[in-house]
Amino acid sequence: DAGITQSPRHKVTETGTPVTLRCHQTENHRYMYWYRQDPGHGLRLIHYSYGVKDTDKGEVSDGYSVSRSKTEDFLLTLESATSSQTSVYFCAISGNEGPNTEAFFGQGTRLTVV
Amino acid sequence: SQQGEEDPQALSIQEGENATMNCSYKTSINNLQWYRQNSGRGLVHLILIRSNEREKHSGRLRVTLDTSKKSSSLLITASRAADTASYFCATDKGGDSSYKLIFGSGTRLLVRP
Repeated sequence: DAGITQSPRHKVTETGTPVTLRCHQTENHRYMYWYRQDPGHGLRLIHYSYGVKDTDKGEVSDGYSVSRSKTEDFLLTLESATSSQTSVYFCAISGNEGPNTEAFFGQGTRLTVV
Repeated sequence: SQQGEEDPQALSIQEGENATMNCSYKTSINNLQWYRQNSGRGLVHLILIRSNEREKHSGRLRVTLDTSKKSSSLLITASRAADTASYFCATDKGGDSSYKLIFGSGTRLLVRP
């Protein structure tokens, strides 16, 4: 399995609080992605990174921010969590060819906003 | 709206039968990938087909790509109960958005023993 770890694996938080999810990789891959998965919607891209300090928005970026200060870590922050952000969040990584090569996924973080 | 849309949303077949899933997309692409997800787990890559390829095989998997129709199909032959999972297609978006990897909503496959 590719060395990709998401933390925490489960979190319950209250509406209005900030939340940070971490994705850590040991593969030295250039590209990192954050997705959310909801029933009926498949995986939707939130933000992605194509290098250290190089990030861009995906399809559903409102209410989320990201940071990548080093190759191995990609952080996803919910600035003020809302119930609509209750979801399963997946991190993925891929090599220098980005979307033109295989992506490897973490095990997911189940976030519940109450 | 999503780049890739799978069809059907759900499929139930008997073990030993073939399963065919389809994916349609909207913009030009450089490649298309198929992934599998077992319940509660992360996605696992199955196969990648480039825009200049029409067909690709990997074990019991056969993928076709028709860029003129902006569609792809995934065929699983001689299905097994262990093939029960959700299957997703994913594409880049070509052009200036080529860094993005966009997934469809998936097909849930149930293979009955």
